[in-house]
Amino acid sequence: DAKTTQPPSMDCAEGRAANLPCNHSTISGNEYVYWYRQIHSQGPQYIIHGLKNNETNEMASLIITEDRKSSTLILPHATLRDTAVYYCIVRVPGSNTNAGKSTFGDGTTLTVKP
Amino acid sequence: DTGVSQDPRHKITKRGQNVTFRCDPISEHNRLYWYRQTLGQGPEFLTYFQNEAQLEKSRLLSDRFSAERPKGSFSTLEIQRTEQGDSAMYLCASSSSSGNTIYFGEGSWLTVV
Repeated sequence: DAKTTQPPSMDCAEGRAANLPCNHSTISGNEYVYWYRQIHSQGPQYIIHGLKNNETNEMASLIITEDRKSSTLILPHATLRDTAVYYCIVRVPGSNTNAGKSTFGDGTTLTVKP
Repeated sequence: DTGVSQDPRHKITKRGQNVTFRCDPISEHNRLYWYRQTLGQGPEFLTYFQNEAQLEKSRLLSDRFSAERPKGSFSTLEIQRTEQGDSAMYLCASSSSSGNTIYFGEGSWLTVV
């Protein structure tokens, strides 16, 4: 599986947009980009995923560069409850091999400040 | 609640004892995953089932660890002769056969004293 690189920590002011970058320069053509977040002591929560087009849902937007080597998760109006560790991973959905071997890395700790 | 359910949420055990964790996946999901997470680290893959078949095992899954999913529904993860290094959160997750999105449970915290 391709590895991802994320900054270890970021701060964001409450009400502002939080832009979390992820580098996945070795991503292969059939690998999707997934984002999860983990609030202290809880299991990871799915946020969004995409292949090559930008995606938006009720939680966030995902911007993937044209060469697919990097992406940005955007939380449009961050709240204090968005303080969490955010993980960017790449994986092939539905594959019978390497199905669970998504490498999470250490993620980005986002701190939203009042 | 129809999410992934794990039990117990917390377990403290003495070194050398055996422990077992149970996971109930989302009901229509036939894929089930186990991960381990230590403080400050991201989740690490342990093993994966499709229905009752265990299709992948990580090198992290030593001989003291065994996972089962006998009827393709719930799963158990047993750790025999626990060591202090086994202290971690054990996460279960599930997905449909398309495997598009993996959903995690709240985890089971293990402390070995």
